[in-house]
Amino acid sequence: AQSVTQPDIHITVSEGASLELRCNYSYGATPYLFWYVQSPGQGLQLLLKYFSGDTLVQGIKGFEAEFKRSQSSFNLRKPSVHWSDAAEYFCAVGAGDRGSTLGRLYFGRGTQLTVWP
Amino acid sequence: DGGITQSPKYLFRKEGQNVTLSCEQNLNHDAMYWYRQDPGQGLRLIYYSQIVNDFQKGDIAEGYSVSREKKESFPLTVTSAQKNPTAFYLCASSMLPASSPLHFGNGTRLTVT
Repeated sequence: AQSVTQPDIHITVSEGASLELRCNYSYGATPYLFWYVQSPGQGLQLLLKYFSGDTLVQGIKGFEAEFKRSQSSFNLRKPSVHWSDAAEYFCAVGAGDRGSTLGRLYFGRGTQLTVWP
Repeated sequence: DGGITQSPKYLFRKEGQNVTLSCEQNLNHDAMYWYRQDPGQGLRLIYYSQIVNDFQKGDIAEGYSVSREKKESFPLTVTSAQKNPTAFYLCASSMLPASSPLHFGNGTRLTVT
């Protein structure tokens, strides 16, 4: 069965420091992967996605993520964190044949990011 | 602007009452989804629909019901059979195929006392 693990429940970084949020997935085939961000009381916003091709993907707000098949990981990174990045971050893996109309996403439990000024 | 509208933002109900959460989208997406979010548990899929008049159960469908009579609308009813209904509910939609990203509404916080 598909699953997503975000090992860090809560991460605290200082403003201007670099950030890496970890995500590991379990899926038999080549997955499609997403990172979403959620501000308190709001819905989720897509940061970036990996479908195929270049394993380093760029997203919005200066975020990037790298797909490593050998490690079943899709870690999210940002070189310099801003106070406005404080939020909850969710990794998700898609299940289903590529191009198929069938399928759904499986979400990790989220990582809460706190940014110190 | 296109998007997903969930209403109301906050909803309060007495135990034993059914309650319906609204979700409307004008993105012309075929697929729509309902997720439940509880602190520390991420998002759990309740129901999803990929075509009008058809829907599938997700991981936690017990105590919930849905309908998909129109492409734009996917209301969720939380029935009195749901044992712990207090939660944050998120509606989402996407294009097909299934690898398309989800677009989320801003959620409805339901409190049942």
